[in-house]
Amino acid sequence: AQKITQTQPGMFVQEKEAVTLDCTYDTSDQSYGLFWYKQPSSGEMIFLIYQGSYDEQNATEGRYSLNFQKARKSANLVISASQLGDSAMYFCAMRESLQGGRRALTFGSGTRLQVQP
Amino acid sequence: DAGVIQSPRHEVTEMGQEVTLRCKPISGHDYLFWYRQTMMRGLELLIYFNNNVPIDDSGMPEDRFSAKMPNASFSTLKIQPSEPRDSAVYFCASSLLRTTEAFFGQGTRLTVV
Repeated sequence: AQKITQTQPGMFVQEKEAVTLDCTYDTSDQSYGLFWYKQPSSGEMIFLIYQGSYDEQNATEGRYSLNFQKARKSANLVISASQLGDSAMYFCAMRESLQGGRRALTFGSGTRLQVQP
Repeated sequence: DAGVIQSPRHEVTEMGQEVTLRCKPISGHDYLFWYRQTMMRGLELLIYFNNNVPIDDSGMPEDRFSAKMPNASFSTLKIQPSEPRDSAVYFCASSLLRTTEAFFGQGTRLTVV
């Protein structure tokens, strides 16, 4: 079974509007972390935001926020006030067994976001 | 800090040749990861190290692939012999025990012809 599912291969958004990128995950662990990375056309992987499974508040980092719904096992990324520079691939990732020390990330298939002027 | 440094950025090689990819993690980081990115399979973990010791190499596709970390500031991923299906972008990443995110290098785009 897929551990991380991103159902939107591509998304369009108008500049200055908000957009939500979906991510659902599958784990039986109680302690895990969820991440979003951005990959622009230049290819590097840029860390955006992190949410721990025990965090009660949704994570926010500037224009990025993570809509964490634990019961639904979803961790959607919300980008407010989209900018042309937000056009990129976005990957959701999970690290399981935070207490057990497993450190590697499992990635979803990604969503390509295109911001239109 | 310069971040995670990978070399070369691009590599084109002929099938059957040996390829060595190099990575210098962020100074002080105690975890190092090698990932491979392809259109078909996305981003997949190949192997990761903790304090220079391989912890999980279950993602290494076959015996043609090997990875080493002789010291805290250097790691290599070797493919011998290379095949066209090895063509991909190979990322190295590093992280600290006490932090959450992994920091990625720029990647090496490998093309095997």
